[in-house]
Amino acid sequence: EPEVTQTPSHQVTQMGQEVILRCVPISNHLYFYWYRQILGQKVEFLVSFYNNEISEKSEIFDDQFSVERPDGSNFTLKIRSTKLEDSAMYFCASSPLDYNEQFFGPGTRLTVL
Amino acid sequence: KQEVTQIPAALSVPEGENLVLNCSFTDSAIYNLQWFRQDPGKGLTSLLLIQSSQREQTSGRLNASLDKSSGRSTLYIAASQPGDSATYLCALLRDTGFQKLVFGTGTRLLVSP
Repeated sequence: EPEVTQTPSHQVTQMGQEVILRCVPISNHLYFYWYRQILGQKVEFLVSFYNNEISEKSEIFDDQFSVERPDGSNFTLKIRSTKLEDSAMYFCASSPLDYNEQFFGPGTRLTVL
Repeated sequence: KQEVTQIPAALSVPEGENLVLNCSFTDSAIYNLQWFRQDPGKGLTSLLLIQSSQREQTSGRLNASLDKSSGRSTLYIAASQPGDSATYLCALLRDTGFQKLVFGTGTRLLVSP
């Protein structure tokens, strides 16, 4: 069964460093998302992406964040200068159409020291 | 602003019991509702999706219902098993042109043998 994959599973970085989190959505899906979950808190929406552009972003998704679909399979989230409060589990999701079921990847645990 | 609350926050039951998890939301303008399962430190597994026009959905031992007018959804788990132990999350998609899922606070379920 097709699934969303994410790499790495765990990333440790120093404050101020840039990180890139990678996702491979399900192949025939058209909508892509990033969410995050700070330890002990709710899952929060970051950004949605369709047709090679951002369709919606939350107030969390400031200028330090960017997303890209560099080729036909990968979807990346870049954090330019990480802060301690960026430590969280980051989930990628995809859906075949809008307003459709979203399928989530296993997550990348980001630890900022 | 849509608020999603899940009660109880934690539930411990002996194996074999039937149980009900609750999800309440403040804004009835929803497009669909998804129930997810999250194992510790892992990703989100989609269990059931209910469209706003539907009243319930069933998958195996799981049955989810939706009552938009009262702002409630329930997840019924029949004949619970230790393998059902996980955190269960409900998440809503609004019908106002936004693609983001709004997640509930989660119910942590422990089924003991």
